[in-house]
Amino acid sequence: DAGVIQSPRHEVTEMGQEVTLRCKPISGHNSLFWYRQTMMRGLELLIYFNNNVPIDDSGMPEDRFSAKMPNASFSTLKIQPSEPRDSAVYFCASRARGSSYNEQFFGPGTRLTVL
Amino acid sequence: GQSLEQPSEVTAVEGAIVQINCTYQTSGFYGLSWYQQHDGGAPTFLSYNALDGLEETGRFSSFLSRSDSYGYLLLQELQMKDSASYFCAVLVRDDKIIFGKGTRLHILP
Repeated sequence: DAGVIQSPRHEVTEMGQEVTLRCKPISGHNSLFWYRQTMMRGLELLIYFNNNVPIDDSGMPEDRFSAKMPNASFSTLKIQPSEPRDSAVYFCASRARGSSYNEQFFGPGTRLTVL
Repeated sequence: GQSLEQPSEVTAVEGAIVQINCTYQTSGFYGLSWYQQHDGGAPTFLSYNALDGLEETGRFSSFLSRSDSYGYLLLQELQMKDSASYFCAVLVRDDKIIFGKGTRLHILP
């Protein structure tokens, strides 16, 4: 099992540019989560999906952020236009819904720097 | 609102025991998890408590008291590799998980 896969691992872009982060969850997992981590705010849940359907996007900072999950094996998080305050590590995590331990498996993260 | 409180930093000596506390105020509580994160790495799952009591897994144990909205992670026989950040996380309704801000554990030789 390859685990959760995220790409790119590092992204440096200029303010105003569009950024797309990608995630491939573990095969068979029904739930997918997007998190943002910064020193100041810790690990924040942005949005999560159950069976490809967005359940709660209340953590999405503003309209510049959008997320999609077109199928069970792929999700994207898009920021347009990007701003310096979006600089953070973005994690994707997946979980087998109904698992007794509610264990989330995190990807390696994408370190985003917006100049 | 929903909130989790845990100490920002804890320091302990190699070979000793350390306890990291977590108090929470949430709606629709289903369980408390703990995750470990090394610098530059991703969070990894350690434990989950849905019922009151102590769960032991090797050197790590986790405790939950639902009536007190309180839990802790106990690490025994500390090793240098245990230096990391530890997050408590609460499972609430609709499968949503809320993370605390994390406790950075420093281990002295």
